[in-house]
Amino acid sequence: EPEVTQTPSHQVTQMGQEVILRCVPISNHLYFYWYRQILGQKVEFLVSFYNNEISEKSEIFDDQFSVERPDGSNFTLKIRSTKLEDSAMYFCASSVVNEQFFGPGTRLTVL
Amino acid sequence: QQQVKQSPQSLIVQKGGISIINCAYENTAFDYFPWYQQFPGKGPALLIAIRPDVSEKKEGRFTISFNKSAKQFSLHIMDSQPGDSATYFCAASSKANSGYALNFGKGTSLLVTP
Repeated sequence: EPEVTQTPSHQVTQMGQEVILRCVPISNHLYFYWYRQILGQKVEFLVSFYNNEISEKSEIFDDQFSVERPDGSNFTLKIRSTKLEDSAMYFCASSVVNEQFFGPGTRLTVL
Repeated sequence: QQQVKQSPQSLIVQKGGISIINCAYENTAFDYFPWYQQFPGKGPALLIAIRPDVSEKKEGRFTISFNKSAKQFSLHIMDSQPGDSATYFCAASSKANSGYALNFGKGTSLLVTP
């Protein structure tokens, strides 16, 4: 069964450093998403991406964040200058339309 | 503003019992309502979903009941098993938003005791 994959599973970084989180969505899916989940809290939407551009973003997704689909399979989330409050699980998801399938997540720890 | 409100925060059910989790929404533009199951350290897994043109959807032991006029929907887990112990999230999205962003509830931690 096809699934969304994410790398790395855990990323530790120093405050102010740039990080890139990587995702491989399910191959025939058209929409790609990033969500985050701070420990013990609900899942929060960051951004959706369709047809090589951002289709929707939340207020969390400020200028420090960017997304890219550099080739036909990868989808990345870049955080330019990490802050302590960026520490969270980051989930990638993909869908044909509504039905979103999530990856296993990347745990980002900012020290 | 919390667009999807979920209750209870935690739930303990005996094996074989019925687990019921409730959600309420405010945005009448929402037209897709999924439930996700999440185990510790894992990503949310799509369990079952419903659209507002039906009042109930059943898949195995899992049933969604939907009340459009009350803007509420609920998940029923019949014959609950210890393996169902997980966190459950309701969510909602609208095709009016071009990106189909999911708005999640705060989650319900379910414990099914043997």
